[in-house]
Amino acid sequence: GESVGLHLPTLSVQEGDNSIINCAYSNSASDYFIWYKQESGKGPQFIIDIRSNMDKRQGQRVTVLLNKTVKHLSLQIAATQPGDSAVYFCAENPGGKLIFGQGTELSVKP
Amino acid sequence: DTGVSQDPRHKITKRGQNVTFRCDPISEHNRLYWYRQTLGQGPEFLTYFQNEAQLEKSRLLSDRFSAERPKGSFSTLEIQRTEQGDSAMYLCASSSDRLEQYFGPGTRLTVT
Repeated sequence: GESVGLHLPTLSVQEGDNSIINCAYSNSASDYFIWYKQESGKGPQFIIDIRSNMDKRQGQRVTVLLNKTVKHLSLQIAATQPGDSAVYFCAENPGGKLIFGQGTELSVKP
Repeated sequence: DTGVSQDPRHKITKRGQNVTFRCDPISEHNRLYWYRQTLGQGPEFLTYFQNEAQLEKSRLLSDRFSAERPKGSFSTLEIQRTEQGDSAMYLCASSSDRLEQYFGPGTRLTVT
C-alpha cells in the first residue's frame, strides 16, 4: 500500500548546527510533497512544499530536497534554534488527501 | 494561528455517547479535510470536502462516523456510540484546491 516513512525517529542537535531530517516515500505517482512541524498539543504547521518537477526548494532557514530516483525527501534546517524543537512530518499528496509518515522528533540542545 | 479553528479543544466522554466536533476553515478555502492522529503517529486521513461535496472517505471512517459541510463553510464530524479506540486528536485542515493544507489546533477526544 501507499506509505511515507521516516528514517530516524529522533534527532538531537546542538543549537546553531544544521539539521537534516530524512523521509522515504513509496508512491511513485505522488507529485507534491510537504513538510510540517508539530509542537506538543498543537496542529501540524506548514513549513515548505515541493512539486515533483523540482529537486530543491529554499525557504527561510529551510531547504527541501527531492530525489525522485530513490523516492527520498529531506528537510534541512540551517542554524537550528531551540524553537525548532518539535516533531517533523513529511507528507505526500497524490491528489486531495495527505499521506503522512510517523515523524522525526528534533531536539535542540542549548 | 493558521486561521483554522476547531471546537471544542478537548472532549471527555463515556463510551457509548455521541460527540460532535466543529471546524471553521480559512474563509476563502474551498477544501476541508478531517484527519485523526494518535500518540506518536502521523495524522491519518478520514475524509474531505470540496465546497459542500464530500469527495473521499477513508476506510477508517466507519459507519459510526459522519461528516457534513452543509453550506460549504464550516464542517462537523460526529461520532456515534463512541468506543475507547476512538480516543485521538481530530484535526481539521483547509486548502484552496490542491495547494498546501493548513491545520487547526485539533480536538482531543478521550473516551472513558
